[in-house]
Formats: sequence, C-alpha cells, structure tokens
Amino acid sequence: DVKVTQSSRYLVKRTGEKVFLECVQDMDHENMFWYRQDPGLGLRLIYFSYDVKMKEKGDIPEGYSVSREKKERFSLILESASTNQTSMYLCASSWGPLSPGEQFFGPGTRLTVL
Amino acid sequence: TQLLEQSPQFLSIQEGENLTVYCNSSSVFSSLQWYRQEPGEGPVLLVTVVTGGEVKKLKRLTFQFGDARKDSSLHITAAQPGDTGLYLCAGADTGGFKTIFGAGTRLFVKA
Repeated sequence: DVKVTQSSRYLVKRTGEKVFLECVQDMDHENMFWYRQDPGLGLRLIYFSYDVKMKEKGDIPEGYSVSREKKERFSLILESASTNQTSMYLCASSWGPLSPGEQFFGPGTRLTVL
Repeated sequence: TQLLEQSPQFLSIQEGENLTVYCNSSSVFSSLQWYRQEPGEGPVLLVTVVTGGEVKKLKRLTFQFGDARKDSSLHITAAQPGDTGLYLCAGADTGGFKTIFGAGTRLFVKA
C-alpha cells in the first residue's frame, strides 16, 4: 500500500511564526502536492512538484513556499504565519507523467494560527 | 476557469436507502476520480474512470463517467452507516498535474 505521512496531525502557531509542514511518501512517486481544505471551498492546490528540486505554483501559492530536496519528501513552508492560513493541509503524491490522476493523500495537518 | 460542481452538497438518509451523487463540469477530463474522506483524515481513493460511458462497481457503489467525459455520478445502493463521509470527485488532465476537485457531498447515513 502507498503510504503518505505528514509530520504533525495538529499544530498551533502564533502569527508571524515560520511554520514547516513535512510530507513523506514511500512509493517512489514522482509527483507531490500540497493542498489546503476549507469548509465549502474544497481542496485548493498550493504547490506541486513533478521532480526533485522542481516546483510549480498552484492556485493559491501566496504566503507559502515549498522545498523538495529528495524524491520522497515535500515540505510546505509558511514564512510568516497569518490567521487566514488556519486550515487543514493535505499532502498527496501520484505516480508520474503518465499518471491517470490518482492521488494518494496523507492524513492531513490541522493548523491553527493564533 | 475549470469547475467541478457536486450535488447535493449535503445528504442525510436512513440506512437501506439508495442515493446518487452528481459531479458536473463544462470541461473535458482525461480521467475522473472519486474519493471518500472521513473526519480528521485525508481523502481515500475509491475509483478512477477513464473512458467515456465507463461504469465501475465497487460492492454497493456504482460509478459512471459521462459519454463526453464532462460529468460523473456515484450511486450507492442500500446505504449503511459506514458509508457516512465526505465524497469528493476530482477531474484530471493527462499527467494528473492539473486536478480539479469538487467541493464535496457530505453524506450521513442514520442507523
């Protein structure tokens, strides 16, 4: 089974703090994704990566950055957390260029910014 | 802008009833996925449909991809409390980089 793990299930941070969310997948997937999920808005893509050291902006990249130094690990960074970044953050991975679109998700990190 | 509209947004039914959830778009997708998400967890992939008109069955769940590959439906027969959750549809382009998610249908099945 594909396994995607996220470093924290729950996180509480203060406004202005730098926040790191880590994601690791164990199936040698080429693509990795970061989403945020808010009630009524569904999943919105923040960033994705199709290869090591490669990254592409998604629909809502403002206030976020990412890092992919190793194939299995994709990190999301909030440089200066703000209250409007309180959300559920989901990491996902998928096979590669010929992937039919199936994504495998981690359990999510519920981030609260006070 | 591509959009995937799901309906209904919320559904509360009794155990044993049948239901259908719809996922519609004006865009054509190379594939479409259905996921189920339980509270506090990430979405779990249920099925992928690729061919227009394709029908797939997963026990009591039947998934259909529209002929034009713009819409899909999920039909649950004899719903059970264990079916409770948020059902998400997602349309993908080739390569799966650009995947659009619907807002979801929250299903509650009462015993």
